[in-house]
Amino acid sequence: QKEVEQNSGPLSVPEGAIASLNCTYSDRGSQSFFWYRQYSGKSPELIMFIYSNGDKEDGRFTAQLNKASQYVSLLIRDSQPSDSATYLCGSNTGNQFYFGTGTSLTVIP
Amino acid sequence: EPEVTQTPSHQVTQMGQEVILRCVPISNHLYFYWYRQILGQKVEFLVSFYNNEISEKSEIFDDQFSVERPDGSNFTLKIRSTKLEDSAMYFCASMGDSSYNEQFFGPGTRLTVL
Repeated sequence: QKEVEQNSGPLSVPEGAIASLNCTYSDRGSQSFFWYRQYSGKSPELIMFIYSNGDKEDGRFTAQLNKASQYVSLLIRDSQPSDSATYLCGSNTGNQFYFGTGTSLTVIP
Repeated sequence: EPEVTQTPSHQVTQMGQEVILRCVPISNHLYFYWYRQILGQKVEFLVSFYNNEISEKSEIFDDQFSVERPDGSNFTLKIRSTKLEDSAMYFCASMGDSSYNEQFFGPGTRLTVL
């Protein structure tokens, strides 16, 4: 069974702080890893994807991948109240994609 | 900015009826997907479609489900005989190039089976 596991939270951080979201995956054949943001009642929006070990930065967001540990994380710097959402971690094997249950993040003003 | 569109936004049907959910992917995209999300649960992969055929499908995508790209713009998901447990949000997604793996999701169709 190919699984992506996330801590469902909720995670609360004060405005301006760093939010750290974590994810593990079971399939070592997974090729790429994604972070999506989903507001309540809305569709997922891609934040970023990563496929190489190490860090990938895009604005306030940094994704980290450690294939040896089968671990993916997302750091959100200078968190804003508008970042309050559910964050979905996902992976793909070929053209099949898997998502975790999501971590609920609340940024407190 | 190009976007994926889906119709209808909400579909209510009786158990046993057939439903067709429609999607218009981003125009130059080549890969198309359907997902479902039961309320409060994770987004679940149903099927991927490329070059006018199914590329991958999950265990959920049984004989009750089918997909079609009837013309150059639409991508449809048909559920032949709906069950109560098919009630969920159904998302269509498209992707331009598999090397980037950037899927763009539509707004979803909420299916309610009574």
